[in-house]
Amino acid sequence: QVQLVQSGAEVKKPGSSVKVSCKASGGTFSSYAFSWVRQAPGQGLEWMGTIIPLFGTSTYAQKFQGRVTITADESTSTAYMELSSLRSEDTAMYYCARIVRDSAWYFDYWGQGALVTVSS
Amino acid sequence: SYELTQPPSVSVSPGQTASITCSGDKLGDKYTYWYQQRPGQSPVLVIYQDNKRPSGIPERFSGSTSGNTATLTISGTQALDEADYYCQAWDSSTGVFGAGTKVTVL
Repeated sequence: QVQLVQSGAEVKKPGSSVKVSCKASGGTFSSYAFSWVRQAPGQGLEWMGTIIPLFGTSTYAQKFQGRVTITADESTSTAYMELSSLRSEDTAMYYCARIVRDSAWYFDYWGQGALVTVSS
Repeated sequence: SYELTQPPSVSVSPGQTASITCSGDKLGDKYTYWYQQRPGQSPVLVIYQDNKRPSGIPERFSGSTSGNTATLTISGTQALDEADYYCQAWDSSTGVFGAGTKVTVL
């Protein structure tokens, strides 16, 4: 069965960086794209960006341009999201989601989430 | 930037029908997707490509579109359907979510 297993919770200082991983199993990694979506406490879902591992190309939300880097390692079927220059407003649950690349793109499976807390 | 508008909340009695709307500029030209998120859990896809239901999603969930408004309908609502529901679309290669609708089953 398909599983997306994310790395654990992190506590970071303002100004630092965090890197969250998402290991996929139960499918051909390169057949899919992967997005990162975050959710601040009590708030809605916010798309951060997408990577297509087959092509190694990433697209980012304008809001995070210059601060976020999404990468993928096909050899380990793992996607990564690194967010730099952290501030308190970045405190959120960060989800990875697998994208079916068909006639339409949609998130068919989600990871369990990784809580990132930014605090001095 | 592209925006999707949802009502903040919808209340429904058990066994009745809940309808959640999602509107956006030229949304009719795009596919709409719907995700359910129960408290403390990750989102789950309930409708894709406007009106298709993934395997394992109960038939009481259905989707439709009219003009620039997409609608998620839950027929015969059950207590376990109480959750937040998010619509989502793609604007070029950018993912966009609505702000979410909290469905309360009274």
